[in-house]
Amino acid sequence: AQTVTQSQPEMSVQEAETVTLSCTYDTSESDYYLFWYKQPPSRQMILVIRQEAYKQQNATENRFSVNFQKAAKSFSLKISDSQLGDAAMYFCAPGSQGNLIFGKGTKLSVKP
Amino acid sequence: DTGVSQNPRHKITKRGQNVTFRCDPISEHNRLYWYRQTLGQGPEFLTYFQNEAQLEKSRLLSDRFSAERPKGSFSTLEIQRTEQGDSAMYLCASSLAGEGEQYFGPGTRLTVT
Repeated sequence: AQTVTQSQPEMSVQEAETVTLSCTYDTSESDYYLFWYKQPPSRQMILVIRQEAYKQQNATENRFSVNFQKAAKSFSLKISDSQLGDAAMYFCAPGSQGNLIFGKGTKLSVKP
Repeated sequence: DTGVSQNPRHKITKRGQNVTFRCDPISEHNRLYWYRQTLGQGPEFLTYFQNEAQLEKSRLLSDRFSAERPKGSFSTLEIQRTEQGDSAMYLCASSLAGEGEQYFGPGTRLTVT
């Protein structure tokens, strides 16, 4: 069974600074994707970034980038130049065809 | 494209009643997923469809839960004989087969009193 561990229940970052959210997972799949989703308070889940497990190159999407270590089954999210609008719950979610397995999330606060 | 929509957005029901939720996916997406999210947790996968075929339903929480997607477009999730423990946010997502990313709707918040 797939499991996902997000070891930081809460994180805080100063506006314009950089923060890294951690995620480790366990899977028996050989071909899978990994995602980070953002869920602002009382709003819907938004896809932040995706990574295909077969790709060695780390994905980047504007201020968001990942550090994917396949052997270690680690998939961290780095947010650069943090903005007030980045405040949200962040969920790590690996998955193969059919379903995603979500971690418990990390609540990110951004201080002005 | 209006994204994934879910109705109703909120539902309050009494224990023992049946409830049905509807999800309309992004129009060109052939896969549709249902998740449940309880307070302080990440979404928990329930079931998914490719077109009208339900490809995975073993994760449905009990036999009180059922889902349909009769014409391969919208889907419904029904909970029979609701219990207080069913109170949660029910999320729907859609995707294209072969594309891993799923796009989520706003959810239906169920409160069972």
